[in-house]
Amino acid sequence: GAVVSQHPSWVICKSGTSVKIECRSLDFQATTMFWYRQFPKQSLMLMATSNEGSKATYEQGVEKDKFLINHASLTLSTLTVTSAHPEDSSFYICSARGGTTDTQYFGPGTRLTVL
Amino acid sequence: AQSVTQPDIHITVSEGASLELRCNYSYGATPYLFWYVQSPGQGLQLLLKYFSGDTLVQGIKGFEAEFKRSQSSFNLRKPSVHWSDAAEYFCAVGAIDDYKLSFGAGTTVTVRA
Repeated sequence: GAVVSQHPSWVICKSGTSVKIECRSLDFQATTMFWYRQFPKQSLMLMATSNEGSKATYEQGVEKDKFLINHASLTLSTLTVTSAHPEDSSFYICSARGGTTDTQYFGPGTRLTVL
Repeated sequence: AQSVTQPDIHITVSEGASLELRCNYSYGATPYLFWYVQSPGQGLQLLLKYFSGDTLVQGIKGFEAEFKRSQSSFNLRKPSVHWSDAAEYFCAVGAIDDYKLSFGAGTTVTVRA
């Protein structure tokens, strides 16, 4: 149990376009979802926390207008990278926490390359 | 603010040998502590976690970790490594109130035959 999926697994886009990444909890209801960014050979950096039905909470230094997060249902959260630029190229990972569990379950990540 | 330090960037170990990965944390209250493993092309998999109680925690794949409050450490150990244990290992500390995780920089484990 506790499976989290992400789609797409990788995406290449042109500079200036927007990209949407989906994060789904497949076998549990995720009351909270988290979005992380991971640079090569580096750790995960928390970008934002989203709770179902409410606005996302962004970490300091993360542009909320650049990284739009929508947690529309208890099983789906989306991250939209707007007007993407090469510096937005990275590995984006989501995680989900359901109910009273204290554990986050991670998706496999999405590799974004902006040309 | 919470933070995690993993002092070892890269460890090479022979197959069958023991492995210990170090993790030190900084947190103002009782922490939630986690070890995750990330294999190439795969998501993070939870190895084990500590919330309270017995300070020696058993996890999956034969891993265990010991919480030492006096040393602010949560080191991961495995008595005998397998080639499939080659991966990136992350220690993380979580806040009790909002479940946010802070990750260490990770330790890359290479297993030689």
